[in-house]
Amino acid sequence: AQSVSQHNHHVILSEAASLELGCNYSYGGTVNLFWYVQYPGQHLQLLLKYFSGDPLVKGIKGFEAEFIKSKFSFNLRKPSVQWSDTAEYFCAVFSSNTGKLIFGQGTTLQVKP
Amino acid sequence: DTAVSQTPKYLVTQMGNDKSIKCEQNLGHDTMYWYKQDSKKFLKIMFSYNNKELIINETVPNRFSPKSPDKAHLNLHINSLELGDSAVYFCASSQDLWTGGRETQYFGPGTRLLVL
Repeated sequence: AQSVSQHNHHVILSEAASLELGCNYSYGGTVNLFWYVQYPGQHLQLLLKYFSGDPLVKGIKGFEAEFIKSKFSFNLRKPSVQWSDTAEYFCAVFSSNTGKLIFGQGTTLQVKP
Repeated sequence: DTAVSQTPKYLVTQMGNDKSIKCEQNLGHDTMYWYKQDSKKFLKIMFSYNNKELIINETVPNRFSPKSPDKAHLNLHINSLELGDSAVYFCASSQDLWTGGRETQYFGPGTRLLVL
């Protein structure tokens, strides 16, 4: 069965620190990968997505993610976090076999001012 | 303008009651979804509808019944509520289900259900 694993459950950083959140998936087919963010009290919104082409994708608010096929990974990065980046971050993979978007368990990011 | 809206935002009820959550999208999308987020923040799909037709029915108890009166609405009715139904329920929509997953899903604000 397809699955997504986010290894960091709770990350605490100071402002201006660099961020990398891990995401690994298990799925043998063509992958469509997503990172969603959920700010406190708000709905999930898309940060970025990868379907094909350049494995380094850039999203909103200075976020980027790199698809490494050999490692089945799609890690999220940001060079310098801000207090406003405090949120829940969810990695997801779309399974074309089942038509389902499968989410990881999420990472809580807390940025200290 | 709200793209995907849900009502109510909070729902507190007793075990055994029947309740409904409504979802509407004004994006003109063909596909709508219901997700459940448990206490550990894990999100899992429950149902998806494409043009009012049920496409995905994840192994969800039949106490949960989605209804799509038109493609802009997907409501979730829950019978005989149990303690384990306490969760946040998210509605979402996307343009199309059949484009290989390239479609972004747009989520509603969630409905926090607490069963006492």
